[in-house]
Amino acid sequence: RKEVEQDPGPFNVPEGATVAFNCTYSNSASQSFFWYRQDCRKEPKLLMSVYSSGNEDGRFTAQLNRASQYISLLIRDSKLSDSATYLCVVNWVAGNQFYFGTGTSLTVIP
Amino acid sequence: NAGVTQTPKFQVLKTGQSMTLQCAQDMNHNSMYWYRQDPGMGLRLIYYSASEGTTDKGEVPNGYNVSRLNKREFSLRLESAAPSQTSVYFCASNKGSTNEKLFFGSGTQLSVL
Repeated sequence: RKEVEQDPGPFNVPEGATVAFNCTYSNSASQSFFWYRQDCRKEPKLLMSVYSSGNEDGRFTAQLNRASQYISLLIRDSKLSDSATYLCVVNWVAGNQFYFGTGTSLTVIP
Repeated sequence: NAGVTQTPKFQVLKTGQSMTLQCAQDMNHNSMYWYRQDPGMGLRLIYYSASEGTTDKGEVPNGYNVSRLNKREFSLRLESAAPSQTSVYFCASNKGSTNEKLFFGSGTQLSVL
């Protein structure tokens, strides 16, 4: 079983749509959670950290459900520039290791 | 600030050749990491260094060696390259504390023929 699992998609949505991604993780002792964005052939870049109480950054909202061990990312009012792969990342404090999901591909269509 | 710098950006090797991927960060980070990314597999940890002078194996260490030369630099060596090592390699670093995000280098596209 993979440490972090994501639906690879692809998600193809029209501009202005709302889209949600989910991610599940296997280790209940996981401490830190992140969403990264990766553009084609580029390095991953932090989109947002995910906090226990949920957090929002503009059009992006992240939620954490520790009981069910899943993380979600909601993108509202999708823009063409949101087209990318979104990586779910989980950190285990022991050894400070990060585990990555395989990513969810999003294409926003004009 | 340059952040995390990786070299080279591209490399083609023949099976059996050796090479070293270089990584340096100028953010005074304690922890450094080497990942490989393959289609459908996501990023997988090869080796990491929690602090200067220490290195540990990650998920896929076979066929690789690392050196944490100093606090800034963390190199990855392929002693005898194999086609299965064709991948995109990313170096990353962070402060090493809980909740600290990773900063990535721009990646190395390696092809082993």
